[in-house]
Amino acid sequence: EAEVAQSPRYKITEKSQAVAFWCDPISGHATLYWYRQILGQGPELLVQFQDESVVDDSQLPKDRFSAERLKGVDSTLKIQPAELGDSAMYLCASSLGGGDLSYEQYFGPGTRLTVT
Amino acid sequence: AQSVTQLGSHVSVSEGALVLLRCNYSSSVPPYLFWYVQYPNQGLQLLLKYTSAATLVKGINGFEAEFKKSETSFHLTKPSAHMRDAAEYFCAVRGYNQGGKLIFGQGTELSVKP
Repeated sequence: EAEVAQSPRYKITEKSQAVAFWCDPISGHATLYWYRQILGQGPELLVQFQDESVVDDSQLPKDRFSAERLKGVDSTLKIQPAELGDSAMYLCASSLGGGDLSYEQYFGPGTRLTVT
Repeated sequence: AQSVTQLGSHVSVSEGALVLLRCNYSSSVPPYLFWYVQYPNQGLQLLLKYTSAATLVKGINGFEAEFKKSETSFHLTKPSAHMRDAAEYFCAVRGYNQGGKLIFGQGTELSVKP
């Protein structure tokens, strides 16, 4: 069964350092999502891509976070510089399309980030 | 704006007992509703979804949920809990009035006692 791949699974970094996460969605999925999940809370959408275009990045802290999906396939989320409050699980998800709200979003295993 | 409230951050049941996890939503448009399960240090897996067809929705692992518009609820149930059901459960809502964004509740941690 096809899965969403994410790496690394765990990342420990010092504050003010740069960190990057990678996501490879299920083949054929046009829509890709990055979520942040703070411990004890539900996931919150950071950015949504339709193919290579950003559809929604209203909750992305653009002063330090950036995301790209250059060829409309895999994606990278970067934080520079990292802050203590960025410690969280970063989840990537993909779906066939963003226009049909019944489409299931398939989640990857996530990257657990700890900022010290 | 759409929102989801999950009543009870922790629920504990005995193995074989009924599981009831509560979810109430707020939406000004017909919503799409979802329940996801998350095991420790893993991503989310879809249990079931309501998309305006049947109000009683059956999902994986013996779970089901009933959409009640009059109560704005979408509670998750399972007749008999198994140890393997211990996990975090999230209710979520989507609607076109917020760009189709998936809005999650705070989650309910389910513990199953032997």
